[in-house]
Amino acid sequence: QVYLVESGGGVVQPGTSLRLSCAASGFTLSNCGMNWVRQAPGKGLEWVAVMSHDGSRVDYVDSVKGRFTISKENSKNTLYLQMNSLRQEDTAVYYCAKMKYCHGFSEPVDFWGQGTLVTVSS
Amino acid sequence: DVVMTQSPDSLAVSLGERATINCKSSQSVLYSSNNRDYFGWYQQKPGQPPKLLISSASTRESGVPDRFSGSGSGTDFTLTISSLQAEDVAVYYCQQYLSTPWTFGQGTKVEIK
Repeated sequence: QVYLVESGGGVVQPGTSLRLSCAASGFTLSNCGMNWVRQAPGKGLEWVAVMSHDGSRVDYVDSVKGRFTISKENSKNTLYLQMNSLRQEDTAVYYCAKMKYCHGFSEPVDFWGQGTLVTVSS
Repeated sequence: DVVMTQSPDSLAVSLGERATINCKSSQSVLYSSNNRDYFGWYQQKPGQPPKLLISSASTRESGVPDRFSGSGSGTDFTLTISSLQAEDVAVYYCQQYLSTPWTFGQGTKVEIK
């Protein structure tokens, strides 16, 4: 059974940094492309970042390019999202999300974690 | 960026009746080389993460009840719930995953009338 457990969220001030983690189980992260998707309180879904299974392809939504970095540590089967220079508009629940076909890139998400809330406020 | 526009924003349907949600993309999400639509539908219930219902415009995911069906191609898509059940109350999102940034529709809230 696939499980994704996010952690690392919290309340931070604008301009600061935070690193989110997503511990995966039931599959091998090194074999699977992953995404981060966020949802501001009471709002819709916004895709944030993607990494291919082998790490050779990554991409970000324009609003986080240069500030956020997606990475993974295969030995820990864990996905990360390093978030720097945080802004109030980054306030959201952040979900890590597994690609349906692990070796693809343009794929829907078939498993989601429960999410971790990031609140950016002064 | 590909803009996804859903209609309506909300709808109330009686139990057992049909619910229809539309989604229109600003560009075609049909990849001609493989004739595949890079398009999906998700269901999100309160306090839960989204759940993939339909991929490739019309492929129902394993375990999804057959009252859910997807249709359409190119730029115009439809999600149909043939006989609404109480457990179908949720917000439904469409998504294109042909080109980054992957984009979602704004969501359609489905309620019981």
